[in-house]
Amino acid sequence: AQSVTQLDSQVPVFEEAPVELRCNYSSSVSVYLFWYVQYPNQGLQLLLKYLSGSTLVKGINGFEAEFNKSQTSFHLRKPSVHISDTAEYFCAVSANAGGTSYGKLTFGQGTILTVHP
Amino acid sequence: NAGVTQTPKFQVLKTGQSMTLQCAQDMNHEYMSWYRQDPGMGLRLIHYSVGAGITDQGEVPNGYNVSRSTTEDFPLRLLSAAPSQTSVYFCASSYGQGAIQYFGAGTRLSVL
Repeated sequence: AQSVTQLDSQVPVFEEAPVELRCNYSSSVSVYLFWYVQYPNQGLQLLLKYLSGSTLVKGINGFEAEFNKSQTSFHLRKPSVHISDTAEYFCAVSANAGGTSYGKLTFGQGTILTVHP
Repeated sequence: NAGVTQTPKFQVLKTGQSMTLQCAQDMNHEYMSWYRQDPGMGLRLIHYSVGAGITDQGEVPNGYNVSRSTTEDFPLRLLSAAPSQTSVYFCASSYGQGAIQYFGAGTRLSVL
């Protein structure tokens, strides 16, 4: 089984400042890692994903994340945020173990990012 | 280009009533799933399906039932609604291992 911990439930930041949203995971098998964003009253959309290869992953809207296997982390970063980045962000994992494991996402609790002018 | 469509968007039920949340996708995805979202708890998997005729339980299956008779549709049934089932429900689909899951817009359910 997998588990995901998002270390901050809320992150307030000023516009144009950098931001990091932290995510740690636990798994007995190798995993795929995802960050999703949810704007108010909407569904989730994918920001970025790590399947294999380079540990630095770039996504949409200027976000990037770095997979650190030794620390079992997948932190999300953006060098300069905008008001429009205000949303809830979810880290998720799925097991890379074949069979019916694909697509079974385990989510973290979510981090609400609020960008202030 | 509909993607994943959920109906209804909002629903209010009385305790003990039953209802079906509809989910349809037009991307020919084999994998479909239902999640519920509660404040501070992220999304939790209720049931999932890896193809027509194949379903399995997720993390929080009690009180819910599913079936998958076609690739496109994956309805979620509440057998006897309880206030603890007040939540936002999301349906998602994907095509394979490590693949992106595409989410519907959600159904906001209140059980009084």
